[in-house]
Amino acid sequence: EPEVTQTPSHQVTQMGQEVILRCVPISNHLYFYWYRQILGQKVEFLVSFYNNEISEKSEIFDDQFSVERPDGSNFTLKIRSTKLEDSAMYFCASTQQGNTEAFFGQGTRLTVV
Amino acid sequence: KNEVEQSPQNLTAQEGEFITINCSYSVGISALHWLQQHPGGGIVSLFMLSSGKKKHGRLIATINIQEKHSSLHITASHPRDSAVYICAVRYYPAGSQGNLIFGKGTKLSVKP
Repeated sequence: EPEVTQTPSHQVTQMGQEVILRCVPISNHLYFYWYRQILGQKVEFLVSFYNNEISEKSEIFDDQFSVERPDGSNFTLKIRSTKLEDSAMYFCASTQQGNTEAFFGQGTRLTVV
Repeated sequence: KNEVEQSPQNLTAQEGEFITINCSYSVGISALHWLQQHPGGGIVSLFMLSSGKKKHGRLIATINIQEKHSSLHITASHPRDSAVYICAVRYYPAGSQGNLIFGKGTKLSVKP
């Protein structure tokens, strides 16, 4: 069964450092998403991406965040200067169309120290 | 304000019991998702519903669009069903192309 893969599974970084979280969506999917889940809280939408551009972003997704699809398979989330409050589980998801079933990756646990 | 409310927050059951988890939402939606999150954190999609009922193995999901309510049922529960079950709805606020909004999840623990 096709799946969304995320790397790394766990990343520890110093405050102020840049991190890049990587995702490989399902190959025939057209819409890509990043979500985050702070420990003990609900999952929150960060950004959606379609046709090589951001289609929507939440208020969480400020100038410190960026997304890119550098080639035909990877979808990355970059945090330029990490803060302690960026510590969370980050999930990538993809859908074939905008309103079809979402497939999630296993998540990257980001710990900022 | 919580657009998606789940109940109960925590649920402990004995193996074999029939389990129901409820989800209510306050916005107009195009679809509702039931997701399963295991202790390691990964999220698996169980169902996507826009009307009626779906069944997969021991899992049944129903939705009542008029009442803005959905239920997830697990028949003959098993310890391996222990996980957090999350309800998420796709809706379209003004100017939006559609987002998933998540409930806080229901933590299910099935004891042998």
